Formats: sequence, structure tokens, C-alpha cells
Amino acid sequence: EPEVTQTPSHQVTQMGQEVILRCVPISNHLYFYWYRQILGQKVEFLVSFYNNEISEKSEIFDDQFSVERPDGSNFTLKIRSTKLEDSAMYFCASSEDSQRGNQPQHFGDGTRLSIL
Amino acid sequence: AQSVTQLGSHVSVSEGALVLLRCNYSSSVPPYLFWYVQYPNQGLQLLLKYTSAATLVKGINGFEAEFKKSETSFHLTKPSAHMSDAAEYFCAVSVPSGGYNKLIFGAGTRLAVHP
Repeated sequence: EPEVTQTPSHQVTQMGQEVILRCVPISNHLYFYWYRQILGQKVEFLVSFYNNEISEKSEIFDDQFSVERPDGSNFTLKIRSTKLEDSAMYFCASSEDSQRGNQPQHFGDGTRLSIL
Repeated sequence: AQSVTQLGSHVSVSEGALVLLRCNYSSSVPPYLFWYVQYPNQGLQLLLKYTSAATLVKGINGFEAEFKKSETSFHLTKPSAHMSDAAEYFCAVSVPSGGYNKLIFGAGTRLAVHP
């Protein structure tokens, strides 16, 4: 069964450094998402992406965050200057459709980001 | 605004016992609801989804959930727990947003299964 893959599985970065989290969505999916889960808290929506542009972003997704689909397969989340509070598990997801809310999103295994 | 509440952050059952994980939703429109499971060190795996076709939804691994509009609930059940069911379970609602949809998750329920 096709799946969403994320790399790396664990990233340790010094505060203030840039970090790029990578995702390969399911190949025929058109809608892409990033969510994050701070340890012990809810899974939170960060951003959705369609047709090479952001369709929605949450208040968490400030100017330090950006997303990109640099080629036909990868979808990346960049944090320009990391803060301690960015430490979390980051999940990438993709779906065939998003305009119809009944389409499930398929998630990767996540990248655990630890900021020192 | 749409939201999801999961009652009980931790549930513990004996192997072979009924599993009941509770989820209540709040939605101003007919909801699309999902249950996801997260095994240790893994991502979120779709268990089942409610999309208004049938109120009783069957999912993978013997789980099912019943949509009850009058109670605004979408509880997850399994008749007989197995040790391998130990995981964290998340209820989520699909929320229309800017022409698309995003998922709003509950806080999760950690299921422990003991011999």
C-alpha cells in the first residue's frame, strides 16, 4: 500500500539554526499538509498546500515557517530560525482531495525535532 | 466552530474485554469524522471514517464506530481487546477551511491492554 514517507525520523538542531523536514506524499495525491504534536499535547494543524501554494495556515505558522514542493515528489517544511518551543513531532499528510471533507488524510511516521 | 472531545486520556482493559473509547464532536455542519491510531514511534494510521453513508462504520483490526447525531458522538469500540491494540487513539473532525478541509484532532486516548 502506498504511504507517506518522512525524513529524517529524528532531527537535533541548535536553537537559531535552520531546519528542513522532508516528506514524500503518496504519488497521486494533490493536497499536502503539515501537522505537529508537542509532547503530551494534541496534534495541531500547521498548513495545507495545493497547486503549489498555501491554501491555509494556522496562527502557529508564522514567518519563520515556509513550505515548498521543490520537485514533483517532495514536500518540505522549513523553519528558518528554530526556537526551543519548536521541539515537537512533525507529521506530513496527503490526500487525494480536500474540497470534499470525506477524503481521509494519510500520515507519515513523523520527524521528531529536538531543539537544544 | 468544529471541535472534538475525547473523554478519558487513559483507558485500561483486560485482554479479551470490550474496548470503548469515547469521542464527542461539535459541528455546525454535517461532520466527517475519523479515528486514527498511533502505535509507539509510528505515525497516524487511519482506522475508520464516517462520511454519512452509514451510521455504523467498520474499520481495520476489528474496530468499529457508531455515529449518533442525537448524542453528537462517534465512539470507537472493539468487542475483544488484543495486546496489540495498545496504542494511542485520536478522534478527528474534518473542518471546511478556505475551500479545503483540515483535520481537528481530539487530545487522544491511550489504550493499555493487560493480560
